[in-house]
Amino acid sequence: NAGVTQTPKFQVLKTGQSMTLQCAQDMNHNSMYWYRQDPGMGLRLIYYSASEGTTDKGEVPNGYNVSRLNKREFSLRLESAAPSQTSVYFCASDMTTTEAFFGQGTRLTVV
Amino acid sequence: AQSVTQLGSHVSVSEGALVLLRCNYSSSVPPYLFWYVQYPNQGLQLLLKYTSAATLVKGINGFEAEFKKSETSFHLTKPSAHMSDAAEYFCAVSESSNTGKLIFGQGTTLQVKP
Repeated sequence: NAGVTQTPKFQVLKTGQSMTLQCAQDMNHNSMYWYRQDPGMGLRLIYYSASEGTTDKGEVPNGYNVSRLNKREFSLRLESAAPSQTSVYFCASDMTTTEAFFGQGTRLTVV
Repeated sequence: AQSVTQLGSHVSVSEGALVLLRCNYSSSVPPYLFWYVQYPNQGLQLLLKYTSAATLVKGINGFEAEFKKSETSFHLTKPSAHMSDAAEYFCAVSESSNTGKLIFGQGTTLQVKP
């Protein structure tokens, strides 16, 4: 039982490059989330998808786009990476009233 | 707007000593409250959650937390620290049963000394 799987685990980008972070869950959860974790700031919600076909902005959506490809997959795209987007990114999923399950994270460095 | 404040970014205890990690929240509606633990280079794992049932909540690994509405607090405790408890701990709040949409505190790193 894999749970929430994120790829890649590590990535280094140059300023201005684009990339997509992938997330897949195998728990048949309706909702999926993208968070970023920065030192001293906890985790902050970037985007979420309450169900297949819907997406909504979270607290820090600027510079990101998302796609809920199907019920299992929720991707996060950086169109033009900036050093301020250096962070650890976590994907999570849940079914209403159950706990959120988190992936192992993607450590992104933008130079 | 909801917010969560964790008092103390670093807490150090001796093995066998009481662990107390503090969390205060603000919410305009009855909150759902959570404690998560993060071990180095890993994702977050749920320790326990409060969802308006019993105010004293027991979680995994011997941790528990008490919801005190009058103090808007949800402090995490463990009677006796173990070396394996060393990790970062996050308190989080949600206004709805959509429990993945969370507001997190800044995190507290717990160090356990032998």
